[in-house]
Amino acid sequence: GAVVSQHPSRVICKSGTSVKIECRSLDFQATTMFWYRQFPKQSLMLMATSNEGSKATYEQGVEKDKFLINHASLTLSTLTVTSAHPEDSSFYICSATPDGYEQYFGPGTRLTVT
Amino acid sequence: AQSVAQPEDQVNVAEGNPLTVKCTYSVSGNPYLFWYVQYPNRGLQFLLKYITGDNLVKGSYGFEAEFNKSQTSFHLKKPSALVSDSALYFCAVKAWGNTGKLIFGQGTTLQVKP
Repeated sequence: GAVVSQHPSRVICKSGTSVKIECRSLDFQATTMFWYRQFPKQSLMLMATSNEGSKATYEQGVEKDKFLINHASLTLSTLTVTSAHPEDSSFYICSATPDGYEQYFGPGTRLTVT
Repeated sequence: AQSVAQPEDQVNVAEGNPLTVKCTYSVSGNPYLFWYVQYPNRGLQFLLKYITGDNLVKGSYGFEAEFNKSQTSFHLKKPSALVSDSALYFCAVKAWGNTGKLIFGQGTTLQVKP
């Protein structure tokens, strides 16, 4: 089956620093990748939709300058949390779709900002 | 507007008993429906989908779901629950258009007791 990886799985950073999270589709080319944020025992909140070679489309209320998304190739998208603060601590999940229908999810990245 | 509702925050069943996790949807046009499972601190795993065809869809790990157009429901079922099925379950519908976005329900925690 289709596999999506995320790196790192866990990261702890100090307030004010930036953190980059990578999302890779390992065995398929992803026309689109998605970035979600999830709070404990809650549903996924879509942050942005990322297409290779074009600017990401952000959902309402998501700060573009804070959550920088780069979709460098058909198998790689990165999310950079800039000037992180404790309220940015969360579980970040990416997904990728080869056809615009089925999404395959990464294992998630636990970000803790101290 | 498109939406998905999972009316139960938690479902408790005894091991060996049948389980049902409920999902209703509201979409314009034909729905593309999905079920995902999430274990603690992990990404989402695909269980099954309904695109077209038979109303009873069989998926991974012995799960199945029944698409009911008149009741706009897509309940997840399993004939005999296992303790290892305990997890968070999400129903989702593909958003209208070609963005590939999914609209998620709020999630249902399934607790299977020995």
